[in-house]
Amino acid sequence: AQSVTQPDIHITVSEGASLELRCNYSYGATPYLFWYVQSPGQGLQLLLKYFSGDTLVQGIKGFEAEFKRSQSSFNLRKPSVHWSDAAEYFCAAMPRTGANNLFFGTGTRLTVIP
Amino acid sequence: KAGVTQTPRYLIKTRGQQVTLSCSPISGHRSVSWYQQTPGQGLQFLFEYFSETQRNKGNFPGRFSGRQFSNSRSEMNVSTLELGDSALYLCASSLGGRDQPQHFGDGTRLSIL
Repeated sequence: AQSVTQPDIHITVSEGASLELRCNYSYGATPYLFWYVQSPGQGLQLLLKYFSGDTLVQGIKGFEAEFKRSQSSFNLRKPSVHWSDAAEYFCAAMPRTGANNLFFGTGTRLTVIP
Repeated sequence: KAGVTQTPRYLIKTRGQQVTLSCSPISGHRSVSWYQQTPGQGLQFLFEYFSETQRNKGNFPGRFSGRQFSNSRSEMNVSTLELGDSALYLCASSLGGRDQPQHFGDGTRLSIL
């Protein structure tokens, strides 16, 4: 079955530390991949997307993600976390054929310690 | 460019009532998708409209319905509300292709008493 997995429910990092949020997908063919961020009481904001080509994708707010086909992963990274990065992060996939909707992971809540 | 606008932001209803939520997409976007977000089930796809036609539907009961107007604005209706319908309902718009990212509104928080 098609699925997106975010293994970490909650991550705590210190401000200034590096961050990596994990995402794995299970699809027959590599889907289109996205990372979204959600602050409390708000909708989802698109951080970055991967369609094809360069496997290292740059996004907004200093985030980047690396696509690894061999590991079916699309992990989100940031070299130095700011307190304002505290939020919930969702990995999502859009199949290249079939159902034309986003499938979301369960999300990872990020807490930043000053 | 204005973003996706959802109204109202908050709604309180009682069981058995019905509710209509509204979504105005980004100008030029012809696809509108609806998602339900709950703590237990996460983000689940409800349906997608493209050029006034429902193009895709998730696994929700028939009490959940929607429509899209010629200006791409969309409404979602839930009839005979149940306690379990309490959720954040998110609308997303896009140009319509699979490789077009979806842009989300801030949602409508629906509480059922």
